[in-house]
Amino acid sequence: DQQVKQNSPSLSVQEGRISILNCDYTNSMFDYFLWYKKYPAEGPTFLISISSIKDKNEDGRFTVFLNKSAKHLSLHIVPSQPGDSAVYFCAASAPGNQFYFGTGTSLTVIP
Amino acid sequence: DTAVSQTPKYLVTQMGNDKSIKCEQNLGHDTMYWYKQDSKKFLKIMFSYNNKELIINETVPNRFSPKSPDKAHLNLHINSLELGDSAVYFCASSQDFPGQVYNEQFFGPGTRLTVL
Repeated sequence: DQQVKQNSPSLSVQEGRISILNCDYTNSMFDYFLWYKKYPAEGPTFLISISSIKDKNEDGRFTVFLNKSAKHLSLHIVPSQPGDSAVYFCAASAPGNQFYFGTGTSLTVIP
Repeated sequence: DTAVSQTPKYLVTQMGNDKSIKCEQNLGHDTMYWYKQDSKKFLKIMFSYNNKELIINETVPNRFSPKSPDKAHLNLHINSLELGDSAVYFCASSQDFPGQVYNEQFFGPGTRLTVL
């Protein structure tokens, strides 16, 4: 039972443009969400998070949007850079619970 | 300096064998985890452990057992390996802060286990 879903396994974007990565979840008890970035042969590294009391969190070129009614979050990267090419995982958790991860979206930023 | 390290990076073994994967964190964190990423890329937690409590994901077979000789290490032992155990295993750690419900996890580079 996959409670966090990333339906796009891959995404290609031109350098300088916006990258939008999407994530859907099914558990309405989730109240904390994170995005992790993973390069080949490395473990995931934390990128940005958002709690359910907010609908937007911004950190430099990265912004995460949360739509609780739609159970949807998205990560915007603008402008996209070649170094952003990686696999992006979203994760979600309810209080006291483990994190549930999506299957990842592989982003390729084309120079 | 590697924050969370795992050894070996690659492990190829026969069905039925017993193997261990080691994990060490030098971040002084309280809690360590093991995750499994299968061929479908699902990243699922197997265990979380701090010096007070071991939490086991109920879907994990009892052939898998975590062993923590000290706060900085959480090793994963796997008995009677099966073909379906082939996956990438990630170790992670986090620091518990009073009053903070969620804590960022720092991941190791992963161990790719192949069972033949």
